[in-house]
Amino acid sequence: EDQVTQSPEALRLQEGESSSLNCSYTVSGLRGLFWYRQDPGKGPEFLFTLYSAGEEKEKERLKATLTKKESFLHITAPKPEDSATYLCAVQAWGNNNAGNMLTFGGGTRLMVKP
Amino acid sequence: GAVVSQHPSWVICKSGTSVKIECRSLDFQATTMFWYRQFPKQSLMLMATSNEGSKATYEQGVEKDKFLINHASLTLSTLTVTSAHPEDSSFYICSAPTSVNTEAFFGQGTRLTVV
Repeated sequence: EDQVTQSPEALRLQEGESSSLNCSYTVSGLRGLFWYRQDPGKGPEFLFTLYSAGEEKEKERLKATLTKKESFLHITAPKPEDSATYLCAVQAWGNNNAGNMLTFGGGTRLMVKP
Repeated sequence: GAVVSQHPSWVICKSGTSVKIECRSLDFQATTMFWYRQFPKQSLMLMATSNEGSKATYEQGVEKDKFLINHASLTLSTLTVTSAHPEDSSFYICSAPTSVNTEAFFGQGTRLTVV
């Protein structure tokens, strides 16, 4: 069974204080690892997809990296508007549901104070 | 990115009534859509996979007769919560991939409150 664990559950940062969010996963065969941002009362917003160990992707203050066991979402010099819940999900090979089914982690609630 | 529209964004209904939630892919066709449920401060739980032209696939523990899914076209899936009870109150979210092996794009979510 695919499993995704995110840590920490909650993270408070001062504006400008860089940090990293962790996503550990166990999957039979990784098809893709996804990062989403979710604001309260909204659906998740797609950020990144990573497919193989060593891959990195960047978008503004966010950078996602991937190893064979975990992924990190690095946040550089965060701003208050980066406050949200960040969700990690994996997609595995061999799923019956058209191969697109995602297994989500519990999320990390990030709060950035000015 | 691709756009998935979910309607309504919130609904309040009386216990015992049924509520229909729509999920539309606005600029692409989706043969598969996914329905999730999210409790406060928790992650998304997959309820079912909606397949265009065929029956939905439900996750273990999800009542098929209570959560009716219809995927009548390549751009529309509906979730009907039948005979709703207060314990069905939750945030329901749909998603759709633009094609096989791509990321899924999510709707805005529907906050259902059963009173």
